Amino acid sequence: KNQVEQSPQSLIILEGKNCTLQCNYTVSPFSNLRWYKQDTGRGPVSLTIMTFSENTKSNGRYTATLDADTKQSSLHITASQLSDSASYICVVGAKAAGNKLTFGGGTRVLVKP
Amino acid sequence: DTGVSQDPRHKITKRGQNVTFRCDPISEHNRLYWYRQTLGQGPEFLTYFQNEAQLEKSRLLSDRFSAERPKGSFSTLEIQRTEQGDSAMYLCASRDDGELYEQYFGPGTRLTVT
Repeated sequence: KNQVEQSPQSLIILEGKNCTLQCNYTVSPFSNLRWYKQDTGRGPVSLTIMTFSENTKSNGRYTATLDADTKQSSLHITASQLSDSASYICVVGAKAAGNKLTFGGGTRVLVKP
Repeated sequence: DTGVSQDPRHKITKRGQNVTFRCDPISEHNRLYWYRQTLGQGPEFLTYFQNEAQLEKSRLLSDRFSAERPKGSFSTLEIQRTEQGDSAMYLCASRDDGELYEQYFGPGTRLTVT
């Protein structure tokens, strides 16, 4: 069964600090891995998309890494801002009809001043 | 706004009533998805359309749920005889073709069944 597990479930950080979110997956056959940001009450918004051959991708202060051998990914947030408070969802795409996405449960990040 | 839109944004209904949600995808996207998301969880796949054809349905989609995309543009999701367990955020997403596609989500419809 395809699964995506994220850790921690939630974390609180002080404004200006860095943090790293983790994602482990068992999705086969693997196609791509995405990180989404979801503000409360809104739909998810894509941050990064990585394929098997990519091991890092940045989007501003967000940097995602991918280790396809160990089936792990991380999302690093640098110099956090209050607006980074949101849920971050790891999503893995499979090479299958419709390229179905498997979503993790998300990590809820709260940035405090 | 040329993004994915959903209507209504919020719906409160009494148990046993029927509800219908609408999704308008990005106009050039021929693939459309419906997801359900409960508090603190990631979205769960419900169903998927390519143009007007419904190609896949999750086992989460009981016989009380039906989705249509009659002309391959907007889509509707109907829930009949709502139950309290149906309370959730219903998300619609659309995408273009290609393996490494970008999937765009709408703002969601928050359903509360009392």
